[in-house]
Amino acid sequence: IAGITQAPTSQILAAGRRMTLRCTQDMRHNAMYWYRQDLGLGLRLIHYSNTAGTTGKGEVPDGYSVSRANTDDFPLTLASAVPSQTSVYFCASSPGQGAETQYFGPGTRLLVL
Amino acid sequence: GQNIDQPTEMTATEGAIVQINCTYQTSGFNGLFWYQQHAGEAPTFLSYNVLDGLEEKGRFSSFLSRSKGYSYLLLKELQMKDSASYLCAALDSNYQLIWGAGTKLIIKP
Repeated sequence: IAGITQAPTSQILAAGRRMTLRCTQDMRHNAMYWYRQDLGLGLRLIHYSNTAGTTGKGEVPDGYSVSRANTDDFPLTLASAVPSQTSVYFCASSPGQGAETQYFGPGTRLLVL
Repeated sequence: GQNIDQPTEMTATEGAIVQINCTYQTSGFNGLFWYQQHAGEAPTFLSYNVLDGLEEKGRFSSFLSRSKGYSYLLLKELQMKDSASYLCAALDSNYQLIWGAGTKLIIKP
């Protein structure tokens, strides 16, 4: 059982390019999340999905979009990357919304030049 | 606004005890999580408190005081592998996690 996988592990991207970060979980969790983690700052929620077919905006959604076509997959798209989107991106999932433990993927390290 | 405060860095000696404090201010409160994050890795769950008091789990314990907006993580019998960042996160009224910046714990022999 893999848990949560993310791809790619790392990426260098030219500014203005479109990029999709992939996230897949095999735990049949209903809720999924995308965070970014920057040095000196806490994890910040970008987008979330409480169940397949629904998504919501987190604290820092601008410049990002998500979709949740099925339970397992929750891709994050940067439509036109900017250098301020250089960060480590973590995908997480939990059985449901609420006071549930979140399980994190290994992260994607993105550098936008 | 919502805010989580925890020390940026702490140093402790192998075999000793260390307490990492966290204060929070959130719109509503539905519990407090602690996660451990080794350098270059993903956060992993350590504990969850929603009621006042101390929860003990092996070498790690977590305490919560809702009236004071305060929590701490207590690590006993420190081992070198405990060198990591410890993230405090509070669950607000919308059941969204508000994360602190993390406390980097350095363990010295």
